[in-house]
Amino acid sequence: AQSVTQLDSHVSVSEGTPVLLRCNYSSSYSPSLFWYVQHPNKGLQLLLKYTSAATLVKGINGFEAEFKKSETSFHLTKPSAHMSDAAEYFCVGLNTGTASKLTFGTGTRLQVTL
Amino acid sequence: NAGVTQTPKFQVLKTGQSMTLQCAQDMNHEYMSWYRQDPGMGLRLIHYSVGAGITDQGEVPNGYNVSRSTTEDFPLRLLSAAPSQTSVYFCASSYSGSGAETQYFGPGTRLLVL
Repeated sequence: AQSVTQLDSHVSVSEGTPVLLRCNYSSSYSPSLFWYVQHPNKGLQLLLKYTSAATLVKGINGFEAEFKKSETSFHLTKPSAHMSDAAEYFCVGLNTGTASKLTFGTGTRLQVTL
Repeated sequence: NAGVTQTPKFQVLKTGQSMTLQCAQDMNHEYMSWYRQDPGMGLRLIHYSVGAGITDQGEVPNGYNVSRSTTEDFPLRLLSAAPSQTSVYFCASSYSGSGAETQYFGPGTRLLVL
């Protein structure tokens, strides 16, 4: 079964500086990986997904993630943080079988300061 | 198109009480699922359904029941509420659940069990 590990529970950046949220995965086969974002008191929204196509995946709101098999990583980045990016971010893996089941990381809370 | 809706938004229960969390989607999705979100633990799968009349257990099913009589609705029942079930509950749906599809999440139900 696949698992994902988010390496930071909390990240703080200044507005206008780069964002890096780290995620490692463990899987014995080619995974499907996602990043979801959750704004305060809201549901989850898909940012981007990797499904064995291009290793660099572009998502919404300027976010992107790179799948690196050699490092078993799927880190989320954004060149310039905006105040509206403050939220909780989840790295998610997909366990396939009789039905798809998402496996969530523990989340990274992104704080953006002026 | 309302997407995934959940009711109620908030609920307070006493230990031993029962209740049903409602989830509905209007996207004709076959796959629906319930997650609970607890601090520091990400989201964990409770139950899921791959179509009307078909349900199965997820990672943390104890204390919860589900049924799927229609494509649109997937209620979650707490049989005898316990303080350990204090959590935020999210319902999600996707087209078939058989691939790396985007899952659409409801806004959540915040439950407090005293």
